[in-house]
Amino acid sequence: KAGVTQTPRYLIKTRGQQVTLSCSPISGHRSVSWYQQTPGQGLQFLFEYFSETQRNKGNFPGRFSGRQFSNSRSEMNVSTLELGDSALYLCASTVDNRYGYTFGSGTRLTVV
Amino acid sequence: GESVGLHLPTLSVQEGDNSIINCAYSNSASDYFIWYKQESGKGPQFIIDIRSNMDKRQGQRVTVLLNKTVKHLSLQIAATQPGDSAVYFCAENRNTDKLIFGTGTRLQVFP
Repeated sequence: KAGVTQTPRYLIKTRGQQVTLSCSPISGHRSVSWYQQTPGQGLQFLFEYFSETQRNKGNFPGRFSGRQFSNSRSEMNVSTLELGDSALYLCASTVDNRYGYTFGSGTRLTVV
Repeated sequence: GESVGLHLPTLSVQEGDNSIINCAYSNSASDYFIWYKQESGKGPQFIIDIRSNMDKRQGQRVTVLLNKTVKHLSLQIAATQPGDSAVYFCAENRNTDKLIFGTGTRLQVFP
């Protein structure tokens, strides 16, 4: 079966712009989580969605937001981009919120 | 605060040797642990997991050990191969909707 698909793979944006990243989970998976990965902070949890509802949120500013659609696909948005937002953004899906997390390959965002 | 950490940022082993990657966690309430492997340009890949009611779990060439007394987790890779070269992360889950990741250990395998 197809894995978790994230688009685009690479993105370059200018400070102050906004960006939208997309994640298509494995078929049948209803939970989608987002993580930010940077060399300095490692993997940090952003938020988790289940059945179109945000169930948990990490310690990120309100510029980071997300949503989930009825087909379980999810998007995350970052507004007013800062240089420090440059990172690999990873999406993970699971049927159950605790077990069987499967990650996508991520979107590499570079803010210049 | 929340933390799951690793003792060694880089581990270099010879091909064919066994590798041991360590991880410490801070919260005794954690009840589920996972090891992930991340290769360059890819997302984390599940290796093996263990629940807190177990001390040891074995997979193909990998073994995870959990010591709840000292809050320590380890990943053992038998007969390490060049394809095992990657960054390895431990993660914990405490019956919430998120994983808390350690900082990662880079495993380098040389011939």
